[in-house]
Amino acid sequence: DAGVIQSPRHEVTEMGQEVTLRCKPISGHDYLFWYRQTMMRGLELLIYFNNNVPIDDSGMPEDRFSAKMPNASFSTLKIQPSEPRDSAVYFCASSFGGTGTGAREQYFGPGTRLTVT
Amino acid sequence: AQSVAQPEDQVNVAEGNPLTVKCTYSVSGNPYLFWYVQYPNRGLQFLLKYITGDNLVKGSYGFEAEFNKSQTSFHLKKPSALVSDSALYFCAVRDEANTGFQKLVFGTGTRLLVSP
Repeated sequence: DAGVIQSPRHEVTEMGQEVTLRCKPISGHDYLFWYRQTMMRGLELLIYFNNNVPIDDSGMPEDRFSAKMPNASFSTLKIQPSEPRDSAVYFCASSFGGTGTGAREQYFGPGTRLTVT
Repeated sequence: AQSVAQPEDQVNVAEGNPLTVKCTYSVSGNPYLFWYVQYPNRGLQFLLKYITGDNLVKGSYGFEAEFNKSQTSFHLKKPSALVSDSALYFCAVRDEANTGFQKLVFGTGTRLLVSP
């Protein structure tokens, strides 16, 4: 398996522009997570989906951020308009939860490094 | 609410010496505990997890972790450190009582630096 795929790997944009980050989870996984990592705030969970349905978006910083998962193999995280404080590494991760309540490890993508100038 | 604490921002150890990276947790039910490693410019990689059973869990790259319920700890260990182990290590927890969903709570990370 190719693992979790994210694109682009690097994104540099100007303040006010729209940014779209993309993620393809591992085939068969039913959970998808979006994280943000910065030096100041560490690793933050932004939102996660189960079977393409958003479950918890309490970590989304503000209305400028939105995420969608139109099907089991694709998700996007959009920032509109972008601001310099959004500069961070954004990770997508997926896991298989199934119908059980056991603990499943998450598999992370390589991340997208976003720089907003 | 579930939480984890990694009390050390950085751990320094000489190559060949044993290493320990500390983690404590807080949950209302039984914990599911994880360790992840992050190398520079990479995503997090799963090392090992504890669900139930033996308190000593063995994982990838020679790492192991010891679950201690009375001390609510899950410390990561390795008998002999390698320079290549230098990385950022994250502890994570999921509360068994939080049924149905796979959300993990991550610690702040501990940077391990192994000197030659």
